[in-house]
Amino acid sequence: DAGVTQSPTHLIKTRGQQVTLRCSPKSGHDTVSWYQQALGQGPQFIFQYYEEEERQRGNFPDRFSGHQFPNYSSELNVNALLLGDSALYLCASSLYQATGLYFGPGTRLLVL
Amino acid sequence: LAKTTQPISMDSYEGQEVNITCSHNNIATNDYITWYQQFPSQGPRFIIQGYKTKVTNEVASLFIPADRKSSTLSLPRVSLSDTAVYYCLVGLTGGGNKLTFGTGTQLKVEL
Repeated sequence: DAGVTQSPTHLIKTRGQQVTLRCSPKSGHDTVSWYQQALGQGPQFIFQYYEEEERQRGNFPDRFSGHQFPNYSSELNVNALLLGDSALYLCASSLYQATGLYFGPGTRLLVL
Repeated sequence: LAKTTQPISMDSYEGQEVNITCSHNNIATNDYITWYQQFPSQGPRFIIQGYKTKVTNEVASLFIPADRKSSTLSLPRVSLSDTAVYYCLVGLTGGGNKLTFGTGTQLKVEL
């Protein structure tokens, strides 16, 4: 039973560029949440997708957008990258009607 | 969203029991309490979850008093590999809800 997977593991971009991160949820899960974790800080909630719609959103600008596909996998897109976007981006999956949140290994993004 | 307060750091030695307490004074009726462990550059790993009283699994115990305004994660006989950041979260992890992480507790276990 595969857990949550994310790709790529590491990524280097320059300011102003755009990036797409990908996530496959744990088998059987239908909900995907994205978190940003800066160095030394706890993960910060970006948004949550269920039934291909954004259901909840944290305090992040519109430069952060996402998508969920019919197979429940998800993408996180960040436009016009800033140096401050450098962080570990975590994907977590769950069942919409149940408790239990499972995290992937994360994607380390470095913006130069 | 319920705000949580935890100690920033704790030190222990191998073989000791470690108790990490989390305060969550404005916990809602439907909120669960969940603890995660995180190693550097890895995603948080679920440890234990509870609603009230005591919950125990193969790695930890979670004690929740009747008023549910705090909770204590108990790690029996810690080892060096338990050195990590531990997060207390309060809320529903199901749909329509967004869990909020605090800064967590950095546990350091020494020989």
